[in-house]
Amino acid sequence: DVKVTQSSRYLVKRTGEKVFLECVQDMDHENMFWYRQDPGLGLRLIYFSYDVKMKEKGDIPEGYSVSREKKERFSLILESASTNQTSMYLCASGAGSIYGYTFGSGTRLTVV
Amino acid sequence: RKEVEQDPGPFNVPEGATVAFNCTYSNSASQSFFWYRQDCRKEPKLLMSVYSSGNEDGRFTAQLNRASQYISLLIRDSKLSDSATYLCVVAVQGNTPLVFGKGTRLSVIA
Repeated sequence: DVKVTQSSRYLVKRTGEKVFLECVQDMDHENMFWYRQDPGLGLRLIYFSYDVKMKEKGDIPEGYSVSREKKERFSLILESASTNQTSMYLCASGAGSIYGYTFGSGTRLTVV
Repeated sequence: RKEVEQDPGPFNVPEGATVAFNCTYSNSASQSFFWYRQDCRKEPKLLMSVYSSGNEDGRFTAQLNRASQYISLLIRDSKLSDSATYLCVVAVQGNTPLVFGKGTRLSVIA
C-alpha cells in the first residue's frame, strides 16, 4: 500500500513564525498535493506538483509556498503564520487522477 | 475547477437500513469519479471508484449518470462502523487535480 507520511500530527505555532509541513510518499508517485480542510468548507487545494521542482497554484495559495526538491518529498511552507491558517493540513499523492489519491494522516496546525 | 455538490446531511439511520447519497457535478467533461470515506479527525480514504456501468463492492453500490451528471452511493444493511463522512470526488481530465465535494455525514444508530 502507498504510504504518505506527514511529519507532525499536531503543531502549535506563534503568529509570524515560519512553518514547514513535510510530506513524504514511498510509491514513486509523480503527483503530490497539499489541501487544507476546515469545517463547512471541505477540502481546498493549496498547491500541487506534477514533478520535481515543479509547482502549480491551487485554489487558495495566498500565504503559502511549496518546495519539491525530491520526487518523494513535498513541503508546504507558511512564510509568516497567521491565526486564519489554523486548520487541518492534508498531503496527498497519486499516479494520476484516474487512480485517485492517497492521503497522509494530516497535520492539525494551531496558530496562536 | 468546477463544483461538486452534496447534501451535507446528517443522515441518521438505524442499523440494517439502506441509505443512498447523491452528488451532482457541473463539468460535463468530467471523466473520473470516486467516493471517499472520512472518519472524524482522520484523513479521507478511497472507498471506491465509480464506473460508467455502475459497480458494487460488498454492501456498497456506486452508480454514475453522465446525462444528468450525478453520482450515487448506496449502502445496504448499514453498520455502526459505516458512520463517517462520504466525499464525492470528480476529475475532469487524466491529470488535473481531483475536485472534492464537501461531504455527506452519515450516522448509523443502534
